[in-house]
Amino acid sequence: NAGVTQTPKFRILKIGQSMTLQCTQDMNHNYMYWYRQDPGMGLKLIYYSVGAGITDKGEVPNGYNVSRSTTEDFPLRLELAAPSQTSVYFCASSFRAEAFFGQGTRLTVV
Amino acid sequence: GQQLNQSPQSMFIQEGEDVSMNCTSSSIFNTWLWYKQDPGEGPVLLIALYKAGELTSNGRLTAQFGITRKDSFLNISASIPSDVGIYFCAGRINAGNNRKLIWGLGTSLAVNP
Repeated sequence: NAGVTQTPKFRILKIGQSMTLQCTQDMNHNYMYWYRQDPGMGLKLIYYSVGAGITDKGEVPNGYNVSRSTTEDFPLRLELAAPSQTSVYFCASSFRAEAFFGQGTRLTVV
Repeated sequence: GQQLNQSPQSMFIQEGEDVSMNCTSSSIFNTWLWYKQDPGEGPVLLIALYKAGELTSNGRLTAQFGITRKDSFLNISASIPSDVGIYFCAGRINAGNNRKLIWGLGTSLAVNP
């Protein structure tokens, strides 16, 4: 059972570079989420999607973009990386309230 | 953004001791979830609660959905070294199509063998 798969696991970006964090799930869940986790700060919702073609902002959407062209995939795009985006990023999916998480992408912006 | 009050922030206990942690909110929730996060990993669901007063166990873990629907508790009995990690509570306010969760800041648990 793959569940939620995120790639890459680690990445170092220079300020101003862009990148896409990939997320795919094989559980046929309609709901998908992107969170960031900073040390001691818990999880903050960046964007979420209630189904293919539908996305909405979470608490901290600035500097990020998402798309949801299929049920399985929910990529997160950083256009102009900034040091404040150094964090661990988690993708999750759910059918009911219970969210299932990927293993995370540790991103450092230097 | 809205957050849950989770306490304690951290605990350092001896192996074999029981552990209790809780989350409180000013809002009424209809779902409470408890997760554990190991270092370098994503959160893993431990227990899900759907009804006020519900008491659910998962091995040595027991969680309760508070009667007021504004709090939840997690107990770990007879702790072992692999219980080390960060425990998060999460809750959902509305039913229907709302699937967004509100998160606590976590309880960091250390177990001394």
